[in-house]
Amino acid sequence: AQSVTQLDSQVPVFEEAPVELRCNYSSSVSVYLFWYVQYPNQGLQLLLKYLSGSTLVKGINGFEAEFNKSQTSFHLRKPSVHISDTAEYFCAVTTYNNNDMRFGAGTRLTVKP
Amino acid sequence: NAGVTQTPKFQVLKTGQSMTLQCAQDMNHEYMSWYRQDPGMGLRLIHYSVGAGITDQGEVPNGYNVSRSTTEDFPLRLLSAAPSQTSVYFCASSDPLAGEQFFGPGTRLTVL
Repeated sequence: AQSVTQLDSQVPVFEEAPVELRCNYSSSVSVYLFWYVQYPNQGLQLLLKYLSGSTLVKGINGFEAEFNKSQTSFHLRKPSVHISDTAEYFCAVTTYNNNDMRFGAGTRLTVKP
Repeated sequence: NAGVTQTPKFQVLKTGQSMTLQCAQDMNHEYMSWYRQDPGMGLRLIHYSVGAGITDQGEVPNGYNVSRSTTEDFPLRLLSAAPSQTSVYFCASSDPLAGEQFFGPGTRLTVL
């Protein structure tokens, strides 16, 4: 089955600094990749997804991610973060027509003033 | 369009008690799933369903039962609650061709 590793459990950054949250995946077949955000005491909200096509994917709130097949990575980036970006971020992977979505352990992003 | 709804939001059980977590969706999605979220472990798949009358096990199915009698509803049953089942439970539905899963707001369960 496919799997995901999020390389950082916590990422502290200052407001207006750039940030990168790292995600690597493993799968023997072609994958779909996702980033979800979870604000405190809330459910998961989709930030962006890669299904096919352009490897650079833009999402909500100014986030983007790049699919790199050779490095099996799908890192999430934002050029300038805000206090309101403080949340937990989950990378997830699934395959075509497959309901078995696997999640990483999560990265807690803390934006400091 | 309410999306995915879950009830209750919070629940406290004693060891050995049983209960059902409710999940409903109004997007006519064939696929529905149940996950549990524990600190440092992300979300782990408990059970899923690819349509009415069809269910299957995920990564961590022990201690849980599911059924899918309609497209809209996918309840999760805890047969005999244990402290290890203390967690936040999320229900999700999806269109498999789109890949994306839509999540409910979660149920926070504590087993004493």
